[in-house]
Amino acid sequence: AQKVTQAQTEISVVEKEDVTLDCVYETRDTTYYLFWYKQPPSGELVFLIRRNSFDEQNEISGRYSWNFQKSTSSFNFTITASQVVDSAVYFCALSEANTDKLIFGTGTRLQVFP
Amino acid sequence: AAGVIQSPRHLIKEKRETATLKCYPIPRHDTVYWYQQGPGQDPQFLISFYEKMQSDKGSIPDRFSAQQFSDYHSELNMSSLELGDSALYFCASSLVGGSRRETQYFGPGTRLLVL
Repeated sequence: AQKVTQAQTEISVVEKEDVTLDCVYETRDTTYYLFWYKQPPSGELVFLIRRNSFDEQNEISGRYSWNFQKSTSSFNFTITASQVVDSAVYFCALSEANTDKLIFGTGTRLQVFP
Repeated sequence: AAGVIQSPRHLIKEKRETATLKCYPIPRHDTVYWYQQGPGQDPQFLISFYEKMQSDKGSIPDRFSAQQFSDYHSELNMSSLELGDSALYFCASSLVGGSRRETQYFGPGTRLLVL
């Protein structure tokens, strides 16, 4: 069965701190896709990053970076030098190859204080 | 860049009424998805359409139906509304590219309140 676990319910940091959001997933498929979405207080869901199961290369994009580890079924997301505008709920999501649906984790609420 | 458009953005209905939510995908996207997000919850997949045909189905109540039209826009019809249907309804769209699972881009959502 597919499942996404975000154990951190809420994280609070002070501006300029680095913060890592954890995500652990479960799937029996060998081909799958992982995503991070951001939901600011205004409510929209904003796509941030995706990773395919066959590509374990980790990357950095601006202040965002991610660490995909198939061995531990983890897809962690790091924000460097956090800013107040990063305050939002962050969702990790999983999609398997044979289904359209995204399975979301329960989300991590990040609060960045000035 | 053009995004997914949803209308209306806010909707207030009484119990047992009907509601229709509309979704206009990103230009050239051929697949639309509907999700329901209850207060404090994560989004739950309802249904999806590819080239006007239902392609996947999730936890969509029998009181709900949806379709995709020839211009690729989609409508979610909700009947016999219940208090528990109060939620944020998202539409997402993507371009299906062969065997690759494409990224779903979400609209701003329709906030439905059932009184």
